[in-house]
Amino acid sequence: DAKTTQPNSMESNEEEPVHLPCNHSTISGTDYIHWYRQLPSQGPEYVIHGLTSNVNNRMASLAIAEDRKSSTLILHRATLRDAAVYYCILRDEVEGTNAGKSTFGDGTTLTVKP
Amino acid sequence: NAGVTQTPKFRVLKTGQSMTLLCAQDMNHEYMYWYRQDPGMGLRLIHYSVGEGTTAKGEVPDGYNVSRLKKQNFLLGLESAAPSQTSVYFCASGTSYQPQHFGDGTRLSIL
Repeated sequence: DAKTTQPNSMESNEEEPVHLPCNHSTISGTDYIHWYRQLPSQGPEYVIHGLTSNVNNRMASLAIAEDRKSSTLILHRATLRDAAVYYCILRDEVEGTNAGKSTFGDGTTLTVKP
Repeated sequence: NAGVTQTPKFRVLKTGQSMTLLCAQDMNHEYMYWYRQDPGMGLRLIHYSVGEGTTAKGEVPDGYNVSRLKKQNFLLGLESAAPSQTSVYFCASGTSYQPQHFGDGTRLSIL
């Protein structure tokens, strides 16, 4: 299974942009890149996902490297409510043995300072 | 719309007891997942299902069994609970090419 590597922790100042990196050098052509975040004492919540092209939504932007071996989650203006653990995962969408399988790593703990 | 509902929310067991955790989703999702999360750690996949009547092993399947007899339900069983299975258990559901939706978790303590 393809794995992802993220820094254990990052800090940001409130209202500044945050770039959260993720390495996935063994990604396969059918793996989608998903990002989730987990607030304290809650279940993970979806942030954004993509395959090859950069993606934007109301929560964040996802920048995917041309070779797809890395990606970056961008929070344009961090708020205190963005303090959470952020997970980058890969999910195989092709029918077969691993279709739909999603494994999480330990994620990046983001601290936002006022 | 309830989304993903986990039952129970809390439970304390004695070593050797058995129990079943229930996950129910009302979004007609094909995929369902069971994860465990130990303190300070990320989520680890126990078992998952890509459709009614099918299940597959994840990263840490030992000591657990699952069943998906109905599309909307995914059951996680502990036949003989051990202290090492003390954890928070999360269920999730989803479909192809779309994100997963998570439940609020079940906090399980085994003494």
